[in-house]
Amino acid sequence: GNSVTQMEGPVTLSEEAFLTINCTYTATGYPSLFWYVQYPGEGLQLLLKATKADDKGSNKGFEATYRKETTSFHLEKGSVQVSDSAVYFCALSGGSYIPTFGRGTSLIVHP
Amino acid sequence: KAGVTQTPRYLIKTRGQQVTLSCSPISGHRSVSWYQQTPGQGLQFLFEYFSETQRNKGNFPGRFSGRQFSNSRSEMNVSTLELGDSALYLCASSAGLAGGPSSYNEQFFGPGTRLTVL
Repeated sequence: GNSVTQMEGPVTLSEEAFLTINCTYTATGYPSLFWYVQYPGEGLQLLLKATKADDKGSNKGFEATYRKETTSFHLEKGSVQVSDSAVYFCALSGGSYIPTFGRGTSLIVHP
Repeated sequence: KAGVTQTPRYLIKTRGQQVTLSCSPISGHRSVSWYQQTPGQGLQFLFEYFSETQRNKGNFPGRFSGRQFSNSRSEMNVSTLELGDSALYLCASSAGLAGGPSSYNEQFFGPGTRLTVL
C-alpha cells in the first residue's frame, strides 16, 4: 500500500536557523503531495501542496519540491521563527489514493 | 466563513459503550472526511462522505461507521468501544468535485474530538 515516511522529531532549532524536514513516499503512479501544520490544541492546516512532478509548493516562507525520481517532498525554510513551532505532517492523496499521512515531525524553535 | 466545527470537543466513555461524534463542514463544502489520530499510529483515514454517500474508506473495522446528511453535516459512530479507540478524531471538509474523490482538494480540518475510553 501507499506510505509516507518522515524524519523523526523533535527537531530543535534556534531562531533564524535553516529548516529541513525530510519526507519520502511510496505510491504507484503520481499522487498529490501535501504538507500540513498542526499548532497546539488545533486541527491541521494545509501549509503547501504540489500536484505533479517538479512542482514547487510554497507558503509563509516554507517550500517543498515534488521529486518523482527520489519520491521525496522535503520541507524547507530559510529562517525559522519561534511562531513556527508546531507539528508538521507530510501527506499524499489525490484521485483514487486514500489520504496517507506521515507520523508528524515536531519542530521546536528557541529564541 | 466559519471553520469546521466538531462536537463535543472532549468525551469520556467506558469499554463496550458506543459514541457519536458530529462534524459541521464549512458552508458550501460537500465533502467530509474523518481521521483518527493517535501517538502510536499517527493520523489514519477513516472514511469520506460526499453528497450523503461514502466514497472512500480506510482500513478500520465495521464498528466505525458514519453518515452524512443533506446539509453536509456528518456524524461518526463507534460501537462497542475498546481501550484502543482512545484518540483524537479529526474531521476535514473540502469543496470536492462531483466527478470523483475530492481528497486532492484542500482539506480544512476541525479542532477534533478527544475521546477517552476507560
